[in-house]
Amino acid sequence: EVQLVESGGGLVKPGGSLRLSCAASGFTFSSYSMNWVRQAPGKGLEWVSSISSSSSYIYYADSVKGRFTISRDNAKNSLYLQMNSLRAEDTAVYYCARVIAARPDYFDYWGQGTLVTVSS
Amino acid sequence: QSVLTQPPSVSGAPGQRVTISCTGSSSNIGAGYDVHWYQQLPGTAPKLLIYGNSNRPSGVPDRFSGSKSGTSASLAITGLQAEDEADYYCQSYDSSLSGHNYVFGTGTKVTVL
Repeated sequence: EVQLVESGGGLVKPGGSLRLSCAASGFTFSSYSMNWVRQAPGKGLEWVSSISSSSSYIYYADSVKGRFTISRDNAKNSLYLQMNSLRAEDTAVYYCARVIAARPDYFDYWGQGTLVTVSS
Repeated sequence: QSVLTQPPSVSGAPGQRVTISCTGSSSNIGAGYDVHWYQQLPGTAPKLLIYGNSNRPSGVPDRFSGSKSGTSASLAITGLQAEDEADYYCQSYDSSLSGHNYVFGTGTKVTVL
């Protein structure tokens, strides 16, 4: 059974940093691209970042470019999101999701999410 | 704001048919990119409902169907059930934005009367 479990969320002050993790199991993690998608309270879904299976290709939404860094450790079946210079508008539930290659790619499994709150 | 527009809400009685539209443009749906749909039950993570415009993953009831035409796509729910009350999002890709851009629709809340 495919499982994605996020952790690392919490309350952080504006300008602060946080590192999210996503532990994957039930599939060959190293064979799949992975994404982070976020959802602000009461709002819709927003794609944040993508990383290919071997970390060769990395993409970011303009809203987080230069502040967030996605990475993965295939030996540990883990995905990460380092978030720096956090702003109030980064407050959201962050989901990791497995990517299925298509035109365009879609996300077939999602974690339960971890809440990040940026507030003073 | 999102480049894919959905109605904020739709409603129907149990057993009825409801449809949700996802309107894009020539830089996303109209450019030939497929549309995928996700269902988000209250307080839970999104779940893949339809992929590649009209394909259902294993386990998704056949009362859910999708279609695409031109710059728009639609999700239909026939035989509406109480457990279908959720938020629904379409997803595609937009080539007009800088960089790599998966885009989601604005979301539609389905209410079962």
